[in-house]
Amino acid sequence: AQSVAQPEDQVNVAEGNPLTVKCTYSVSGNPYLFWYVQYPNRGLQFLLKYITGDNLVKGSYGFEAEFNKSQTSFHLKKPSALVSDSALYFCAVRDRDNNAGNMLTFGGGTRLMVKP
Amino acid sequence: NAGVTQTPKFRVLKTGQSMTLLCAQDMNHEYMYWYRQDPGMGLRLIHYSVGEGTTAKGEVPDGYNVSRLKKQNFLLGLESAAPSQTSVYFCASSYSGVPYEQYFGPGTRLTVT
Repeated sequence: AQSVAQPEDQVNVAEGNPLTVKCTYSVSGNPYLFWYVQYPNRGLQFLLKYITGDNLVKGSYGFEAEFNKSQTSFHLKKPSALVSDSALYFCAVRDRDNNAGNMLTFGGGTRLMVKP
Repeated sequence: NAGVTQTPKFRVLKTGQSMTLLCAQDMNHEYMYWYRQDPGMGLRLIHYSVGEGTTAKGEVPDGYNVSRLKKQNFLLGLESAAPSQTSVYFCASSYSGVPYEQYFGPGTRLTVT
């Protein structure tokens, strides 16, 4: 079984400050991890992923995430937040070794509010 | 490329009515998925397909049926709509292997009264 937890329903940050959106996961094997962003009345857009290799992955719009196997976490970060980053963010996981249909399990989502 | 498209964008049904949601993708993806999104619950997988003519149940399949007669299309049917099926429905597609991420359509907002 695979599961994802996003412990914060909402994160508030001032424009220009660093932001972190937290994600922890559980899989029986090794994980593939993903972050998606959803703007109002839109579908989900892929931001970045961890498959293998370097634990720090960089993605679209200046976002990055760090895979931490010992803490089973994959937190999303950005050094300097923009008002336009305000959106709903989803973390997702799939088990690399036990997943016939490339099925993703999503967290409940975290709303990021960046204030000017 | 249009990517993943969904028809219709909005729909209002009365309890007991039926309808079909259409998803189309032009990326030659093998796998396709139907999710529903409810506040605070993230996305939950309804059904998925790993190829033309094959479908499988996801996390919340009850009350829905699907068909994949062509590789590029994936249909989601509600035979007898219930208010509990009020939700936003998303279709997604992916390759069977690398690069693994799924690509999403714009969604269908369904209200059942």
